[in-house]
Amino acid sequence: EVQLLESGGGLVQPGGSLRLSCAASGFTFSSYALSWVRQAPGKGLEWVSTISSSGGSTFDADTVKGRFTVSRDNAKYTLYLQMNSLRVEDTAVYYCAKAAAAGSFDYWGQGTLVTVSS
Amino acid sequence: EIVLTQSPGTLSLSPGERATLSCRASQSVSSSYLAWYQQKPGQAPRLLIYAASSRATGIPDRFSGSGSGTDFTLTISRLESEDFAVYYCQQYGSSLWTFGQGTKVEIK
Repeated sequence: EVQLLESGGGLVQPGGSLRLSCAASGFTFSSYALSWVRQAPGKGLEWVSTISSSGGSTFDADTVKGRFTVSRDNAKYTLYLQMNSLRVEDTAVYYCAKAAAAGSFDYWGQGTLVTVSS
Repeated sequence: EIVLTQSPGTLSLSPGERATLSCRASQSVSSSYLAWYQQKPGQAPRLLIYAASSRATGIPDRFSGSGSGTDFTLTISRLESEDFAVYYCQQYGSSLWTFGQGTKVEIK
């Protein structure tokens, strides 16, 4: 059974940093691209970042480019999101998601809440 | 960046009725890289349809997707109680992924 379990969320002040983790199991981790998708309270879904299966390529939304860095450790079956220079508008539930056919995401974690507030 | 616009914002229907949800793209979606998700309160999204018309594993056949280019549709043939939720379309192209703003299907 595929499982994705996010951790690392919490309350942080504007301008601060946080690192999210996503522990995966139930599939061959190194064979799939992985992504982060966020959802602000009461709002829709927003793609954040994607990393290729090897980790050699990364892609970021313009809203986080230069501030967030996605990475992965294939030996540890873990995906990361380093978030720097956090803004109030980064407040959201952050989901990790496994890439599937035709650019879709077939498995999602339960999400971790990041709150940016003073 | 391709912008996806979903309509209507809210659909009020009764169990057993047919639901038709629309997703319109600002530019043509390449190779029908269009997916649909269902999300219930407090839960993660669930993949329903990928490649515009292919059902994901375990998705009942009352869910169907159609369309190409800039116009896509998700149809739920006969609504069941567990289908009342928010639905999102999503596209992939040029190493960017975008979601529509969502359509809420509520009980009338």
